[in-house]
Amino acid sequence: EVQLVESGGGSGQPGGSLRLSCAASGSNFNIYGMTWVRQAPGKGLEWVSYISGGSSTIYHADSVKGRFSISRDNAKNSVYLQMDSLRAEDTAVYYCVRLDNGGSYYFDSWGQGTLVTVSS
Amino acid sequence: QSALTQPASVSGSPGQSITISCTGTSSDVGSYNLVSWYQQHPGKAPKLMICEVNKRPSGVSIRFSGSKSGNAASLTISGLQAEDEADYYCCSYAGGRWVFGTGTKVTVL
Repeated sequence: EVQLVESGGGSGQPGGSLRLSCAASGSNFNIYGMTWVRQAPGKGLEWVSYISGGSSTIYHADSVKGRFSISRDNAKNSVYLQMDSLRAEDTAVYYCVRLDNGGSYYFDSWGQGTLVTVSS
Repeated sequence: QSALTQPASVSGSPGQSITISCTGTSSDVGSYNLVSWYQQHPGKAPKLMICEVNKRPSGVSIRFSGSKSGNAASLTISGLQAEDEADYYCCSYAGGRWVFGTGTKVTVL
């Protein structure tokens, strides 16, 4: 079973930047699509960004488009979320999530999450 | 990009069956058989319970089942147990994006 470990969360100021990292255990990391899903305190889940196994396809939610970027390094079994122009509404637990293989569209493995707090 | 609509809460007694609805649009639920359901206990990461409308991943109890009709999907939990008390979220692929439901809190009376 894959393990996903997020890091890089913490406090940031409005307008500032943070970079989240996610390290995955196991093999064949390059065949899995990866996403970030966030959850504001006491709120529901919100999909943020997606990157395909070979990085050829990237999607972002409208709420973060132009401010966040997703990338991955398959040699390091890692995926990243660069968060720029932070806003208070970006405050949330950010989960690193793996899609099942073979071009699936559901999220079969979740990390434990890392908290991002945006406040002045 | 509106969230899918779910009831805020559903409750049932042990052994009963409950159904959680998930209403979307022709752009998401109605266009793709790619609805999934997630269970989340307090302070924990979500767990996949149903994928592709009605498929149960390995290890998920047969008491959980899913279905879809038109723009709406549903999750049924039969033989309700205390451990089923949690938040449940539906999710649909919507062409270059995913949209989650508003979430339903299931209470076992």
